[in-house]
Amino acid sequence: GAGVSQTPSNKVTEKGKYVELRCDPISGHTALYWYRQSLGQGPEFLIYFQGTGAADDSGLPNDRFFAVRPEGSVSTLKIQRTERGDSAVYLCASSSSGGRDTQYFGPGTRLTVL
Amino acid sequence: KQEVTQIPAALSVPEGENLVLNCSFTDSAIYNLQWFRQDPGKGLTSLLLIQSSQREQTSGRLNASLDKSSGRSTLYIAASQPGDSATYLCAVRDDYKLSFGAGTTVTVRA
Repeated sequence: GAGVSQTPSNKVTEKGKYVELRCDPISGHTALYWYRQSLGQGPEFLIYFQGTGAADDSGLPNDRFFAVRPEGSVSTLKIQRTERGDSAVYLCASSSSGGRDTQYFGPGTRLTVL
Repeated sequence: KQEVTQIPAALSVPEGENLVLNCSFTDSAIYNLQWFRQDPGKGLTSLLLIQSSQREQTSGRLNASLDKSSGRSTLYIAASQPGDSATYLCAVRDDYKLSFGAGTTVTVRA
């Protein structure tokens, strides 16, 4: 079956612009996670959704970052007033019911802020 | 806050040599530990998952050990091949959140 998909695969934007990154989880998975991987680092947790609600958004770096999952399936990570330091690979993962289930990762979106 | 460290940061070996990758973590209250492979420009591929109650897990040429009390895990790759060249990431799970190390980048020379 289809895995986790993310679009776009690459996004180049200018400092100060707004961007949206999309994640399509595995069908039927209720839990969805966003991670950010900066160059030379491991992924860092950003936010965890259980269904439509954000169960833990403690990893979001500041209020320029926001994520939604209005119907409990697709999620969008939104970044306002982008900064060069936001450049990274944004990874999405999903799991069947959250908690301690195995997380399956998408290929990521590489964001470059010029 | 859980801190995960991987040593070495990079490793280059000739084909056929065994690989030893190390991972350490600061908080031993973990649910499980997972080893991932990441190829350039790609996402994460899960290699092995060790539950906190287990001591090791094996899959083909891969073997991972876990010593939860000392906060350490080791990934062994036997008889390395050029196709094993990639970055290997260790991640510990405490409830739903994964905490990753920075990875070990492996190059296997033909």
